[in-house]
Amino acid sequence: AQSVTQLDSHVSVSEGTPVLLRCNYSSSYSPSLFWYVQHPNKGLQLLLKYTSAATLVKGINGFEAEFKKSETSFHLTKPSAHMSDAAEYFCVVSAWGGGYQKVTFGTGTKLQVIP
Amino acid sequence: NAGVTQTPKFQVLKTGQSMTLQCAQDMNHNSMYWYRQDPGMGLRLIYYSASEGTTDKGEVPNGYNVSRLNKREFSLRLESAAPSQTSVYFCASSLGTGGNQPQHFGDGTRLSIL
Repeated sequence: AQSVTQLDSHVSVSEGTPVLLRCNYSSSYSPSLFWYVQHPNKGLQLLLKYTSAATLVKGINGFEAEFKKSETSFHLTKPSAHMSDAAEYFCVVSAWGGGYQKVTFGTGTKLQVIP
Repeated sequence: NAGVTQTPKFQVLKTGQSMTLQCAQDMNHNSMYWYRQDPGMGLRLIYYSASEGTTDKGEVPNGYNVSRLNKREFSLRLESAAPSQTSVYFCASSLGTGGNQPQHFGDGTRLSIL
């Protein structure tokens, strides 16, 4: 079984303040974890991925995420929000097991950045 | 620099009409996917093709068919459209189906069924 829970459907921050988008997961296999960003009327763009190497993963646009196996979490952070970060963010779990690939998307977190 | 290209970008259909959504990638990827995105539900996998010549059902395949025409192209067909199929459809591709392979997405097709 595999699931992803994004703990907040909406997050609002002021420009220049830190961003925290929370993601918990479960998987019966050794998963890879991804964060994607979706701007309005666009497809999903890869921000970063964890694939069992370093637990702190750095991505594009100043985002990073830390894989914590004991907490089954993969939270996305950024030290200082920019107006262009306003978008929807998806946490994704992917694992190969039982003879096929299982990819599970979270329901998304909409980030609002207030000037 | 195209990546994954989907056509059309928008479409309105009447109930019972048929339609094919087209997807092409120019990254020499082996695997391709079709998802639908509905508000508050994330993306759900409809069908995927692990490699040229193979297709498999995903989470929500009912009412859809697919064709992997060649390595570049993967089409999604609605034989008899229903209002429940109103959604945004995304095509994606990846180098392979290994669990650590990221997917690359097109910009979507916004489909309304009246």
